[in-house]
Amino acid sequence: QVQLVQSGAEVKKPGASVKVSCKASGYTFRSYNIHWVRQAPGQGLEWMGLIDPSGDSAGYAQKFEARVTMTRDTSTSTVYMYLTSLTFEDTAVYYCARGRWGWALGYWGQGTLVTVSS
Amino acid sequence: NVMLTQPHSVSESPGKTVTISCTRNSGRIAGHYVQWYQQRPGSAPMIVIYEDKERPPGVPDRFSGSIDSSSNSASLTISGLKTEDEADYYCQSYDSNKYAVFGGGTQLTVL
Repeated sequence: QVQLVQSGAEVKKPGASVKVSCKASGYTFRSYNIHWVRQAPGQGLEWMGLIDPSGDSAGYAQKFEARVTMTRDTSTSTVYMYLTSLTFEDTAVYYCARGRWGWALGYWGQGTLVTVSS
Repeated sequence: NVMLTQPHSVSESPGKTVTISCTRNSGRIAGHYVQWYQQRPGSAPMIVIYEDKERPPGVPDRFSGSIDSSSNSASLTISGLKTEDEADYYCQSYDSNKYAVFGGGTQLTVL
């Protein structure tokens, strides 16, 4: 069965960077895009971007373009989301999700809480 | 930028039918498939409708989706409401086949 397992919670200071991983299993890793979606406390879902594991190309939401990088390691079927210059507003649960039918996100990781605190 | 607007909250009684709307501000709703996700507190979202009206395996047929080109909106309808349907619901679509966008979410209360 398809599984996306994310790395554990992080606490970072303002101005720092964070790297969250998402390990995929149960399917052919290169065949489906992986998206990153975040959710601030009590807020809605916010799409950050996606990566195509077959060619390592990525597309980012304009809001995050200057601060986010998404990469993949095909040897371990893992996708990484790297976010720099953290502020308090980046405190959120970060989810990876796999496309299933086009842009439909059919499988989700368990989420990683990133807390930005001084 | 494309925005999807949803009502902040809706409520209905068990056994009744509720409809949640999702209005697209620019670009045609038709031709940009809409998905719907259910999110219960403390859990990751779960897809309940994809490609406007298709139900993933395991999702009850009480959930249905539609689009209305005249109002440039999509709708999620849940019939025979159960208390377990109480959750936040998000619509999602995309723009220029490059960017995804979520609606602000609708809190459904079943009381």
